[in-house]
Parts: sequence; C-alpha cells; structure tokens
Amino acid sequence: LAKTTQPISMDSYEGQEVNITCSHNNIATNDYITWYQQFPSQGPRFIIQGYKTKVTNEVASLFIPADRKSSTLSLPRVSLSDTAVYYCLVVRGSNYQLIWGAGTKLIIKP
Amino acid sequence: GAVVSQHPSWVICKSGTSVKIECRSLDFQATTMFWYRQFPKQSLMLMATSNEGSKATYEQGVEKDKFLINHASLTLSTLTVTSAHPEDSSFYICSARGGLAGAYEQYFGPGTRLTVT
Repeated sequence: LAKTTQPISMDSYEGQEVNITCSHNNIATNDYITWYQQFPSQGPRFIIQGYKTKVTNEVASLFIPADRKSSTLSLPRVSLSDTAVYYCLVVRGSNYQLIWGAGTKLIIKP
Repeated sequence: GAVVSQHPSWVICKSGTSVKIECRSLDFQATTMFWYRQFPKQSLMLMATSNEGSKATYEQGVEKDKFLINHASLTLSTLTVTSAHPEDSSFYICSARGGLAGAYEQYFGPGTRLTVT
C-alpha cells in the first residue's frame, strides 16, 4: 500500500534553514513529488515539484535522492510568515492517483 | 496564472437543507477537479475526483448520494451537500489540474466554510 509519511510538527527560528523530509518508500518509476503550503482557513498553495535530484525555485528547494524513497523540502532563511502546514504529495504517473502525507505543522519562532 | 475560485467563501444553512459550492478555474481549462474536506486542525481529506463530462470517482467512505459532484465544463465543477447535518460542517476545498498547470500540478481554491445549524 503506497503511503507518504512526514513529521507531524517541527519548530525553528527566524533566519534558519528548515528541512522537512517526507518518506515515500513505495514510489513508482513515473511518480512525481509535490509540496504544498497551507495557512489556516486557506486553500493549499503549490510550492515546488520534482522527479529526481534537486529542484530550486524562488521560495524553496527540493532534494530527491537517487532511490527516490524520500524527499526533502528546504526553506532557506525562514521568517515568521512561513509558519504553516506543509504537505507532501506523491502523484502516481500511471493513473494520477494522489497520495497525500498528513502534513507537517511548522512553527517559526522569533 | 492558474487561479481557482470558489463560491461562496462561507455559508450557514439549516439542518436538512442542501448547499451548492462552485469551483471555477479562471484562466485555464481544468480537465480534472478534486474536492477535499478539512476538519479543524486536521489534514486534507480527498473526497472525490472528477473529470470533465464524466461521473466523479469517490474515495472510500464518501457517500456519493450525499455529496453530488458535477463537472459539466472545463472551468466549472460543483459540489452539492444534500440534506446537510451538523456533522457536515467543515472546510471544503476544490482544486483543479490541467492546461499549463500540467498533468501533475493542481491549484487550489480558497475554500468554503460550511456551517450547518
């Protein structure tokens, strides 16, 4: 049974780099990994997507090792406004099935 | 680009009545739309997936006769909560996939807060 697992919560401080790791041991060859950010009472917002190695955009980086059984979302120099829930999602390439993680509540302290 | 809207943003209804929530992709054609439910401080829960012109596929445990989904066009999907009860009170969020958003990305609406009294 495909499953996506991530830590329930994490704390960090302003200015630090935060890494949130997601485990997806049963990932298949054509599956993609996506991360979303959600603030309370809002719809999730797309952060980044990747297939392998490293992807970087203006807000985050995504590191995916060669075996692709995990992925790490890296947020550089976080601020208080990065306090949110971060979701890891594996999208099945064969049928576009969605395998969501339960979300990681990230709290940034001053 | 890739903007998804929902209407209404919040709604209060009496127990036993039906409520319709609209989800629109504003600047792209959504071949697939998803409906989620989220209870306070809980994770997203996928309710159903709908492809334009086809019947929705419901997740296990979601009553298809209670949560009616219509995806009649490439830019509009509706979720109707029929005979709503207080336990249906939740945050309902839609998302859409397609067009320039690509096959693997989905873009979310702002959500609809439903309160059943």
